[in-house]
Amino acid sequence: TQLLEQSPQFLSIQEGENLTVYCNSSSVFSSLQWYRQEPGEGPVLLVTVVTGGEVKKLKRLTFQFGDARKDSSLHITAAQPGDTGLYLCAARSGSARQLTFGSGTQLTVLP
Amino acid sequence: DAGVTQSPTHLIKTRGQQVTLRCSPKSGHDTVSWYQQALGQGPQFIFQYYEEEERQRGNFPDRFSGHQFPNYSSELNVNALLLGDSALYLCASSLRIRDRGSEQYFGPGTRLTVT
Repeated sequence: TQLLEQSPQFLSIQEGENLTVYCNSSSVFSSLQWYRQEPGEGPVLLVTVVTGGEVKKLKRLTFQFGDARKDSSLHITAAQPGDTGLYLCAARSGSARQLTFGSGTQLTVLP
Repeated sequence: DAGVTQSPTHLIKTRGQQVTLRCSPKSGHDTVSWYQQALGQGPQFIFQYYEEEERQRGNFPDRFSGHQFPNYSSELNVNALLLGDSALYLCASSLRIRDRGSEQYFGPGTRLTVT
């Protein structure tokens, strides 16, 4: 069973600061996704990465997939209070169709 | 274009009871997956349904069962409820043919509390 480790578990920063969240595993992924979840709601997909070394940008969010497809990072520039939420990475390995989730990073951006 | 919908939004049950949760997938999607999310944790995969059959299953006991209907909607049933079954139950839909690289879209979840 692949295990996805996310760090940090909790992060509280001031508006305007930059931050990076990490997702690591000893397994190779066929694809990896990042989600954001707000209290009482389901996860909302932010991005999917499938190619080693891939970098995707979504406004102030930059997602990177490791060359060996075992790790990923999410970097937020100039964080805003609206970025507050639980950030989850989720991955598939091999022929698996289900997603395996990390335990999440709870981000709080203070105004 | 309706997204994934789930009902009910909240549910309170007593230990030993049975519960049924419902999910309608996003329009055009044919595969439904169910996840359990305990407070402060990431979602855990329960099982996935496609063509009205359970195709994959996570590490959950037989008390957890499901069904998919011809219109692709799905139900999750949990028997003999335990306190530890209290969680947010999430339904996600996807398109099977693109499943390996495609995204799963999640519903808002059903918050189940077992007392």
